[in-house]
Parts: sequence; structure tokens; C-alpha cells
Amino acid sequence: NAGVTQTPKFQVLKTGQSMTLQCAQDMNHEYMSWYRQDPGMGLRLIHYSVGAGITDQGEVPNGYNVSRSTTEDFPLRLLSAAPSQTSVYFCASSRGTGGHEQFFGPGTRLTVL
Amino acid sequence: GNSVTQMEGPVTLSEEAFLTINCTYTATGYPSLFWYVQYPGEGLQLLLKATKADDKGSNKGFEATYRKETTSFHLEKGSVQVSDSAVYFCAPGGSGGYQKVTFGTGTKLQVIP
Repeated sequence: NAGVTQTPKFQVLKTGQSMTLQCAQDMNHEYMSWYRQDPGMGLRLIHYSVGAGITDQGEVPNGYNVSRSTTEDFPLRLLSAAPSQTSVYFCASSRGTGGHEQFFGPGTRLTVL
Repeated sequence: GNSVTQMEGPVTLSEEAFLTINCTYTATGYPSLFWYVQYPGEGLQLLLKATKADDKGSNKGFEATYRKETTSFHLEKGSVQVSDSAVYFCAPGGSGGYQKVTFGTGTKLQVIP
């Protein structure tokens, strides 16, 4: 199993550009989520999904869109990048949110100029 | 919703010192509790977990006990090593219909020889 994969590993954008961060898992997990990690702020939840076709907002959803058309994939879209979105983004998946551990991808380091 | 408060870091210890990282939580119901570790340049990975009150999770010499009466899940290790230098995150699982998995700010540990 590859686990949770994320692409790209690094990305530089200009303000106003759009892009999609890819996330895929091969563990048949129902729950997937996106976090951003900033210095001194820990991990903050952007969006999450409890299954294909179902998504919901986390703590910091503004400026980001998600969709979940398949169990395996959970892409994160930046509609119009802003410098405040410079961060490290992590995707995670799990069988559920109760007693199940989260499996994390390696992260995408995004810089918005 | 479910949330945690962790002691602020960074924590700097000498090798073989005793480690405690405090974590208290608020939650709907009685969620499972988790500690994750993030080594430099990597995503988070599960360190240990406890699924009910009075359970003790343990792994790699680390321990944490689920204390319902004090809503705490403090992480301890009797003798830290340089290789334990990392950021540690406490997190409650989902519970009582609350599906979001949120993390605290994390506690950075630096162990010096």
C-alpha cells in the first residue's frame, strides 16, 4: 500500500493564481481531511469528508474548495491564491473519526508570492 | 466541539531526562485520545492512543493515561533520547456525532546530548 500520497511536494504561485493540491489514499478510508500547518499555529482543519459525495468545512475553509467524487481522492482547490495561504498542507485519512488513527501524507509546501 | 490544550513549547531537555507534555481536552462524550509525532520534514504519525477512561497507551517508551476526571492525557517518557526531538500533537477523536478531528498547536521537543 502507498498509504496517503500528495502532489506536488513543493509549489510556488503568484497572487491570484489557482491550483489544485492532489491527495489520494489506497486504504479504502471513508474519512479524509485537509490541514494547514503554520509556525506557532499547529494544524488547522480546512475541510473534511466522511465519504464520497459528502464534504464539510473545518476551522479555516475560506479560499479553499474541495470535492469527493471517489473514496480514494480528495483534492483541495485554491481559487485565487493569496500570500496568507503560504503554508504546508497535509492530507489525512482514516477509517472513521472515533477510535481510528489518522494517516497523514508527506505534505505540500506552498509559497504564494 | 472537541478540542485540546497543550503546553506550549519549545521544551528543551538533556538526554536521559524525564519528559512530561501536558494535554487537556474538551469533548462531547468520551472520545478516543491520541498522541501524534512529527519528525522534521515529515507528516504526522501515530505515537499512541487510548480508547476509554483509565486506559494507558504506550509506544517507544512513551506513555499516556486517559484521565476522565481531569480530562487529561499527559505524555510521559522516563528517559528521552536525541532521536525523540520532534513536535508532539495531542488530539481527541470524534465523538457524540462530532466528526471533526482537530489538533492543538503541538509541542516542540528538543533533546540535547
